[in-house]
Amino acid sequence: QVHLMQSGAEVKRPGASLKVSCKASGYTFIGYFIHWVRQAPGQGLEYMGWINSNSGGPTYAQNFQGRVTMTRDTSISTAYMELSGLKSDDTAMYYCARGRSGSSYFDYWGQGSLVTVSS
Amino acid sequence: QSALTQPASVSGSPGQSITISCTGTSNDVGNYNLVSWYQQYPGKAPKLMIYEVTKRPSGVSNRFSGSKSGNTASLTISGLQAEDEADYYCCSYGVSGTYGFGIGTKVIVL
Repeated sequence: QVHLMQSGAEVKRPGASLKVSCKASGYTFIGYFIHWVRQAPGQGLEYMGWINSNSGGPTYAQNFQGRVTMTRDTSISTAYMELSGLKSDDTAMYYCARGRSGSSYFDYWGQGSLVTVSS
Repeated sequence: QSALTQPASVSGSPGQSITISCTGTSNDVGNYNLVSWYQQYPGKAPKLMIYEVTKRPSGVSNRFSGSKSGNTASLTISGLQAEDEADYYCCSYGVSGTYGFGIGTKVIVL
């Protein structure tokens, strides 16, 4: 069965960077994209971007361009999302989700990685 | 891509039907049949309920249906059940080349 396992909770200082991992299992990793979505406490979902797991090419949402980097390691079926210049309002649950190439929806989601930015 | 507009909450009694609207623009909802809907319980990851406006993934109850007219997409839940009480988010692809979510709607079963 399809499963996306994310890295654990982290506490970061303002100005630091975070890197969240998303390990895929139960399907052919390079056949799908990995999308990243975050949710601040008590707030809605915010789309961050995706990575083509085959080519490694990323596409970032405008709000995050210049601050986010999405990569993948096909040898271990794992995608990564790195966010730099952290601020307190980056405190959120970060989710990875699977998307099929050429599709527009996210059919399987990771359990989420809670990142707290605090001095 | 600006957030899509959804009502903050929608309520209904068990057995009734409710509809959640999702209003975008001609740059997203109105230009593409690429609207999806997600259900989220507190503390849980979202779950795909509808994709490409009207399609239902395997395993999702046929009480959930989607539609679109112009710049507004809608999710209808028929035969409302207590277990349907959750937050619902719409999502659309846009001319920006990425996606945008709605602000979310809390469904309350009275």
